[in-house]
Amino acid sequence: GAGVSQSPSNKVTEKGKDVELRCDPISGHTALYWYRQSLGQGLEFLIYFQGNSAPDKSGLPSDRFSAERTGGSVSTLTIQRTQQEDSAVYLCASSPRHEQFFGPGTRLTVL
Amino acid sequence: TQLLEQSPQFLSIQEGENLTVYCNSSSVFSSLQWYRQEPGEGPVLLVTVVTGGEVKKLKRLTFQFGDARKDSSLHITAAQPGDTGLYLCAGVSNTGKLIFGQGTTLQEKP
Repeated sequence: GAGVSQSPSNKVTEKGKDVELRCDPISGHTALYWYRQSLGQGLEFLIYFQGNSAPDKSGLPSDRFSAERTGGSVSTLTIQRTQQEDSAVYLCASSPRHEQFFGPGTRLTVL
Repeated sequence: TQLLEQSPQFLSIQEGENLTVYCNSSSVFSSLQWYRQEPGEGPVLLVTVVTGGEVKKLKRLTFQFGDARKDSSLHITAAQPGDTGLYLCAGVSNTGKLIFGQGTTLQEKP
């Protein structure tokens, strides 16, 4: 069956521009997570959705980062006024209960 | 703050060698997971360990959860070229969010 998909797969942007990253979770998965991964490193938690609510936003690095989820399905992570330190791979995972299924990620490069 | 320390960060392996990767924390986790990630892909779950002292085997991979549920190890017997990749341990919080170690990169010895 279809797994978690993310788009775009690669995004190159200029410093100061806004970007939107999209995550399509596995159908029926109620929980959705966003993580950020720097080159060859572990993943850093950003935000967690249960349905359309975000009970844990503690990992968002600054107020330039926001995320929403609609219809208990698609989620969008928005980064405003991008900075070079925002360059990373942004991974989304969905979960029915205990196991998280990851998408392939969006590689963001801020020039 | 819950943190996970993984060691070593890099391992060069020769086919047939045995190796162990360690994951340590000062915090107790209700469960701990191990993931493997290949370039350009998201992590894929290998195993979840829940009970202190638990040992799980997945073919040539053996996972152990420490008695105090603060540490874990991954042992690979007779490494194969297909074992290369980034191995990540992750503690599971009560909301389900994962707290990851920094990862161990397994690569083939040139």
